[in-house]
Amino acid sequence: EAGVAQSPRYKIIEKRQSVAFWCNPISGHATLYWYQQILGQGPKLLIQFQNNGVVDDSQLPKDRFSAERLKGVDSTLKIQPAKLEDSAVYLCASRTWGDITYGYTFGSGTRLTVV
Amino acid sequence: DAKTTQPTSMDCAEGRAANLPCNHSTISGNEYVYWYRQIHSQGPQYIIHGLKNNETNEMASLIITEDRKSSTLILPHATLRDTAVYYCIVRGGNEKLTFGTGTRLTIIP
Repeated sequence: EAGVAQSPRYKIIEKRQSVAFWCNPISGHATLYWYQQILGQGPKLLIQFQNNGVVDDSQLPKDRFSAERLKGVDSTLKIQPAKLEDSAVYLCASRTWGDITYGYTFGSGTRLTVV
Repeated sequence: DAKTTQPTSMDCAEGRAANLPCNHSTISGNEYVYWYRQIHSQGPQYIIHGLKNNETNEMASLIITEDRKSSTLILPHATLRDTAVYYCIVRGGNEKLTFGTGTRLTIIP
């Protein structure tokens, strides 16, 4: 089966600019996650979707970050305006809701550098 | 979700078994132990998970102690491609994976 697709692979922007990342999960996976991974740290969950509804966005900095999954398939994560500390890899993952027999599948991520 | 403790780094000789420990002393009865690994510049990759019985698949074995307060991931014949950061994660019913800082495993030729 095809994996989780993310684009772009790399992005360099200046601080205060805006940026958007795109994720296409595995077909049929109802649950989608966005993680932020700062260099040297483990991934940190930003937001969790179940179909097109938000399940958990408690760690999403809502003053500058937003995410949507309008049709319950693809998702976009936006940062506006970006700060230097937003430099990180942004990972998207998906899985089937309630299925404990399979692990989460992660994409390769988008590496964001804010200068 | 229960917190996990792992060594920061480990080395293992190529061809030998790599044994990665994890402590999860506050784990509760319905929480699973998951292991993921992350090779440089890639997303985390699922390895194995278990509840209380030992588990084995084509990648690794997972040994969970009887009191479930610790576990060990075993890579039976480590290769250079197993060099990665390994994450031990305890997951409950909220469908979320909470990552720590993991163990950086280096396979030595």
